[in-house]
Amino acid sequence: GENVEQHPSTLSVQEGDSAVIKCTYSDSASNYFPWYKQELGKGPQLIIDIRSNVGEKKDQRIAVTLNKTAKHFSLHITETQPEDSAVYFCAASMKAGGSYIPTFGRGTSLIVHP
Amino acid sequence: DGGITQSPKYLFRKEGQNVTLSCEQNLNHDAMYWYRQDPGQGLRLIYYSQIVNDFQKGDIAEGYSVSREKKESFPLTVTSAQKNPTAFYLCASSGQPLSGANVLTFGAGSRLTVL
Repeated sequence: GENVEQHPSTLSVQEGDSAVIKCTYSDSASNYFPWYKQELGKGPQLIIDIRSNVGEKKDQRIAVTLNKTAKHFSLHITETQPEDSAVYFCAASMKAGGSYIPTFGRGTSLIVHP
Repeated sequence: DGGITQSPKYLFRKEGQNVTLSCEQNLNHDAMYWYRQDPGQGLRLIYYSQIVNDFQKGDIAEGYSVSREKKESFPLTVTSAQKNPTAFYLCASSGQPLSGANVLTFGAGSRLTVL
């Protein structure tokens, strides 16, 4: 099955700095890579995603890059704000048993200090 | 508003008791999922269902059971066979499980504490 490694487990930055979270995956058959944000006491929500035929995608202050050769993808948050503080999960999706089931990383707790 | 409702939000049970967590969605999604979240462990898949009356084991199904009698509902029973049931449980659904871009919508979670 797929294995997703995510680093760092905790990231502390000052407001206005950039934050980068990195993930690697093991199975080259994975073709969809979503990122979810989980605020305290809530369920995760999709914030950005990228397909395997795209190298980079940007949405305002967040961007995701994908290196298929290295099986590596990253989340970049620029101009961080206190409301960006949350746990972020990366995931990789591959076909299993007829459907696409995401395998999640262990999460990164991002703390943005005002 | 469309979404996923999990209940109860907090649940306390004695060791050895079975407990059932509710998950209801009104998004008309075909697929539903149960994940377990432990600190530093990420989200681990317990069971998933692509269609009514069918479900598949995930990575950590032992000690859990599910049913999918209605499209809208996917309850999870934590049985006494589950060795370490204290955790945060997340239910999710998706409308395109057969698509490469399978986006999950999550509920707010249920926190189970076994005393």
